[in-house]
Amino acid sequence: QPALTQPPSASGPPGQSVTISCTGTSSDVGGYNYVSWYQQHPGKAPKLMIYEVSKRPSGVPGRFSGSKSGNTASLTVSGLQAEDEADYYCCSYAGSYNYVFGTGTKVTVL
Amino acid sequence: QVQLVQSGAEVKTPGASVKVSCKASGYTFTDNYIHWVRQAPGEGLEWMGWINPKNAGTHYTWSFQGRVTMTRDTSITTTYMELSGLTPGDTAVYFCARGDGSSWFPLWGQGTLVTVSS
Repeated sequence: QPALTQPPSASGPPGQSVTISCTGTSSDVGGYNYVSWYQQHPGKAPKLMIYEVSKRPSGVPGRFSGSKSGNTASLTVSGLQAEDEADYYCCSYAGSYNYVFGTGTKVTVL
Repeated sequence: QVQLVQSGAEVKTPGASVKVSCKASGYTFTDNYIHWVRQAPGEGLEWMGWINPKNAGTHYTWSFQGRVTMTRDTSITTTYMELSGLTPGDTAVYFCARGDGSSWFPLWGQGTLVTVSS
């Protein structure tokens, strides 16, 4: 199962929005509404930010939102803050009990 | 406190095996699958497989089949991931994560660094 494709990097000044794409196939992202997003700071475990494409766990700020169109899912961070600087990974159910992560995107707050 | 606590760092020689533990607390152990994910230095997350603590059922991604074994001990609410035939390419941080619903991982262990070097 090849990794989902994400841009290596994204950036924006504080207060701006940044959107990260996650492209898969009809066998994973496009086939299920089971896309989740994770934030990872250096040396830390990943943290769940979005699940089931667009649902936000309690405690995650409202400036994080998710969506999906066809085989591509997206994570938008509105009103960037310094603490949002981290690596972000998408993950999708891929059928037959399998899961696949994205290649990861490093978000820099300028 | 709901948490997953993993065992400490390991250093292994090529060809050896490693067994990493993940102790769950604060929730009903048999209610959720445990997934294992690894991350090589400077690289992305790689999903390895899962174990169902209720019945010990497992599923591994194809790239690890034949080398990975996931087990559990319900008496101590602990799951284990054993990887054999280690090569330097297996040097990574190994995470356990609790699976919720059908698809997301809201709870992670702190990670265990496994270093494979001669």
